[in-house]
Amino acid sequence: DVQLQESGPDLVKPSQSLSLTCTVTGYSITSGYSWHWIRQFPGNKLEWMGYIHYSGSTNYNPSLKSRISITRDTSKNQFFLQLNSVTTEDTATYYCARGNYGNWFAYWGQGTLVTVSA
Amino acid sequence: QIVLTQSPAIMSASLGEEITLTCSASSSVSYMHWYQQKSGTSPKLLIYSTSNLASGVPSRFSGSGSGTFYSLTISSVEAEDAADYYCHQWSSYHTFGGGTKLEIK
Repeated sequence: DVQLQESGPDLVKPSQSLSLTCTVTGYSITSGYSWHWIRQFPGNKLEWMGYIHYSGSTNYNPSLKSRISITRDTSKNQFFLQLNSVTTEDTATYYCARGNYGNWFAYWGQGTLVTVSA
Repeated sequence: QIVLTQSPAIMSASLGEEITLTCSASSSVSYMHWYQQKSGTSPKLLIYSTSNLASGVPSRFSGSGSGTFYSLTISSVEAEDAADYYCHQWSSYHTFGGGTKLEIK
């Protein structure tokens, strides 16, 4: 079965970069689908951040486009999120997910809470 | 980006009751997806492409709609249905509704 697992620091200082890893098991990220980052703010609002396609192309939420980068390491079957110049408003639970061809999310990681604080 | 507005924000239902949650889009969308999120867990896909039940989801859940108005119905609420419910669309970019919290009386 497909499984996704987020990892990374749980505390980041303002103005620094937030970096997270999503490790995928049970399916190769180069075989198909799109691989997404989604975050959920305190108060539960969900925000789609962006994805990396199995071909390697990327697409980002316009509201984050200047700060976000999604890359991958195909040898480790991992993809990564980097969000630059973070502020306290980037405090959220970050999820990685697989996007199906119909653009729904059938598989999600368990999520990781990242707090931005000095 | 398309804005999704869910109502009500909070719904209180009795066991066995039929309820309907709604999701209104700021512009017409082709499909709507629905997720259930229980406290401390990640969202779980319930309905995809407006009316298709995801694998393992009980048949008491159903979805319908078109254009700018979509709904999720639970035909007979059970205690385990207490959760937050989110609608989701993709039209160039993904957006989610603000959620409906379902409480069981």
